[in-house]
Amino acid sequence: QLQLQESGPGLVKPSETLSLTCTVSGGSISSSSYYWGWIRQPPGKGLEWIGSIYYSGTTSYNPSLKSRVTISVDTSKNQFSLKLSSVTAADTAMYYCARHVARIEVNWFDPWGQGTLVTVSS
Amino acid sequence: QSVLTQPPSVSAAPGQKVTISCSGSSSNIGNDYVSWYQQLPGTAPKLLIYDTDKRPSGIPDRFSGSKSGTSATLGITGLQTGDEADYYCGTWDSSLNTVVFGGGSKLTVL
Repeated sequence: QLQLQESGPGLVKPSETLSLTCTVSGGSISSSSYYWGWIRQPPGKGLEWIGSIYYSGTTSYNPSLKSRVTISVDTSKNQFSLKLSSVTAADTAMYYCARHVARIEVNWFDPWGQGTLVTVSS
Repeated sequence: QSVLTQPPSVSAAPGQKVTISCSGSSSNIGNDYVSWYQQLPGTAPKLLIYDTDKRPSGIPDRFSGSKSGTSATLGITGLQTGDEADYYCGTWDSSLNTVVFGGGSKLTVL
């Protein structure tokens, strides 16, 4: 079955760029039916959508993070990636990647990766 | 402060039924389908309900979803201790142009 796995540094210094990769297995990231998304969850808090990407490279970002976020896709590796620039302690969170069904009036995420904790600290 | 409002906590006894509400507005729940996620302690969220009232394969029919106007509801019957988790609603907000989630509801099975 489809599985997603996040990878990347667990510690990032303030003002630097957070970089994570999500590897998709058990299915093709080039499927025409799905987007691929990033969601984060600060410790003890709720979920926040960061953004999503289609295999063609079309992106959709949360306006509150848009100025700092870049999501890219590498179909040859079946991976998509997140870059978040100028991080602060407020960006400390568990970061999840997930397959995103996004159509008119429809949005849901399934399945999710296990998540990776990123701490912003000097 | 989340765009979608959920009760912070709900509780019920084993075997009983519980409902979790998710209140929004005409720019989100009132206009789009709703999804629900279950997050067991220390794990990633898992899709429980999509398109407001549909269950993915493998999700028991003890879980149900509904919507009326700008509010959605998750229902869980025959509560089990294994249902203790955080539950989140989610949808698209056409005014904010973003996916929005509720703040989450912690279910305790007494």
